[in-house]
Amino acid sequence: AQSVTQLGSHVSVSEGALVLLRCNYSSSVPPYLFWYVQYPNQGLQLLLKYTTGATLVKGINGFEAEFKKSETSFHLTKPSAHMSDAAEYFCACYGGATNKLIFGTGTLLAVQP
Amino acid sequence: DAGITQSPRYKITETGRQVTLMCHQTWSHSYMFWYRQDLGHGLRLIYYSAAADITDKGEVPDGYVVSRSKTENFPLTLESATRSQTSVYFCASSTSGGEAFFGQGTRLTVV
Repeated sequence: AQSVTQLGSHVSVSEGALVLLRCNYSSSVPPYLFWYVQYPNQGLQLLLKYTTGATLVKGINGFEAEFKKSETSFHLTKPSAHMSDAAEYFCACYGGATNKLIFGTGTLLAVQP
Repeated sequence: DAGITQSPRYKITETGRQVTLMCHQTWSHSYMFWYRQDLGHGLRLIYYSAAADITDKGEVPDGYVVSRSKTENFPLTLESATRSQTSVYFCASSTSGGEAFFGQGTRLTVV
């Protein structure tokens, strides 16, 4: 069965510092992987996705993530945090055989001035 | 307007009552999903549908019923609401491949 684990329910960084949000997945088939962002009282919007091909994927707002099959990881990074990055971030895994899109429990990112 | 629309945005209901949450999408996406979002649990899949008249259980289906008679609609019914079903419910749609587009959510309170 698919599953997604996000390490750290809360992460706090200073403005301008590196953002690193961790995601590990479990899937019996090569998965598609996603990062979504949720701002307060809103739905989720896609940040970036990995399907096939290049393992380093770039998304919106300067975020990127690297698919590492050997580590079953898909960590999200941004070189320099901005106050507007404060939100909740969700990693998700799609396993084609089941057609299910499964989410992790989320990481709330706080950015300190 | 194109997109995915959930209604109502807010709902308060009493324990034991039936309530239906509506979801409508204008993209003709094949796949539709219902999630509930609870603190500490992230988003948990309730039901999903690969096409009209095809539905399947997700992670937490108990107490919920879905139908999909038309591609664009995917209503979620709580047959007899319980306090544990107080949550924020999100509907999403996608083409095959998992990239999903989400509605704004329905905040349901069961008293």
